[in-house]
Parts: sequence; C-alpha cells; structure tokens
Amino acid sequence: DADVTQTPRNRITKTGKRIMLECSQTKGHDRMYWYRQDPGLGLRLIYYSFDVKDINKGEISDGYSVSRQAQAKFSLSLESAIPNQTALYFCATGSGGLYNEQFFGPGTRLTVL
Amino acid sequence: EDQVTQSPEALRLQEGESSSLNCSYTVSGLRGLFWYRQDPGKGPEFLFTLYSAGEEKEKERLKATLTKKESFLHITAPKPEDSATYLCAVGGRGNTPLVFGKGTRLSVIA
Repeated sequence: DADVTQTPRNRITKTGKRIMLECSQTKGHDRMYWYRQDPGLGLRLIYYSFDVKDINKGEISDGYSVSRQAQAKFSLSLESAIPNQTALYFCATGSGGLYNEQFFGPGTRLTVL
Repeated sequence: EDQVTQSPEALRLQEGESSSLNCSYTVSGLRGLFWYRQDPGKGPEFLFTLYSAGEEKEKERLKATLTKKESFLHITAPKPEDSATYLCAVGGRGNTPLVFGKGTRLSVIA
C-alpha cells in the first residue's frame, strides 16, 4: 500500500461548488503539506501543518482552507471553486527534525469548469 | 528569502549522452538540498538528500553533488526511461518549508 494516499485522484466540478481533497499517510510523520502545480509555475505551497494543532498558510492560501483531523489526515477545501484553481494538487509528508525530506502523494487532478 | 533556480528548463539528450543539471540556491543556513524525479501527472519521487558541501550521492546512472552555492545532478549514459522532470529543493533554518525550483524537463531519445 502507498505511504501517502490522496482522494479523489481526478475530479471535475463547476464554478462555485465546494470541493474537498483528502490526504492520508501511514508514514507516521507529523508534518503534512498541500501544494498545487501548474505548468511553468512549479510547485506552490498552499498550507502546511506541523501537528494536529498547528496550521500555517503557505504562498497561495487565498481561496483554500484546510483541516488536520488527525496526525495521519489532512484535508484541503475549496469553498467556492473557480476555474483558475484548475491544477494538479499534491499532498506531502515530512518527519522534520534533522532529516527534512518530504514524500509526496500521487496527486489529484482537479478541473473547475 | 530562500531561492532555488534550476537550469536548463529543458534538456534533450541522445541515449548514452551524459550531461548535468544545475540547481543554484541561496538559503540562510542549509539543512539539506533535495533532488526529486517527477513523471508526467505523478507525484515527485524522492531521490537524494545532500547536507554539506563536498557531499556526493549516487543511484544507478545518477550522481548528485553539492557546493556552497549549487548542486549538480549528473546523468551518465542516460536511457529513455530516465526521461522525467527533475526537481531540486532546499531546506533552511528552523521550521521553514522546503523551497522548490521549477525543475528541468529531461528527454532522452533512443
């Protein structure tokens, strides 16, 4: 089984709809991250969390919200989706500390019409 | 502000033609420099972590090296299956998240 899973893997929705993307991990990491990736713009950080009670905004948090339901679960919500939120979304985890590697999930391809 | 610049943006090689990808960085207190491979439509796959200048790591046809200002990913005798986007990231002091470059898109032609 994959260490980091994301659901759904693909989603097509309409402008104005509320969407939730879910991420769960079995790596036992405290840190979890949400990124979006657009052609030519690279990975951009949306939100990150260092533990269940710690949530931080990233580079592009406007229009998004998150919930850290447990150490292993981190959800990203689009309250009212708009077409320029069409992108690939990745969840990542990290152990922090001395070794700061991040490990990514398979991604969710979101299309907002 | 931590920054990462990767070059070239795209590289096309013939099978067996060795080359290098560059990652230049500025960071306040390097905790680690990371290389990832990303296939189209998939999540980045962790390759290497480098912690200090002079360090080298190898995996199959890939070797990553680190200086105080840049890292190189050397690809020796590449094969078509090495075609992917290669991402570089740096981690700085404290709890700041990793900063990623935009990647180098490598195509290896048979």
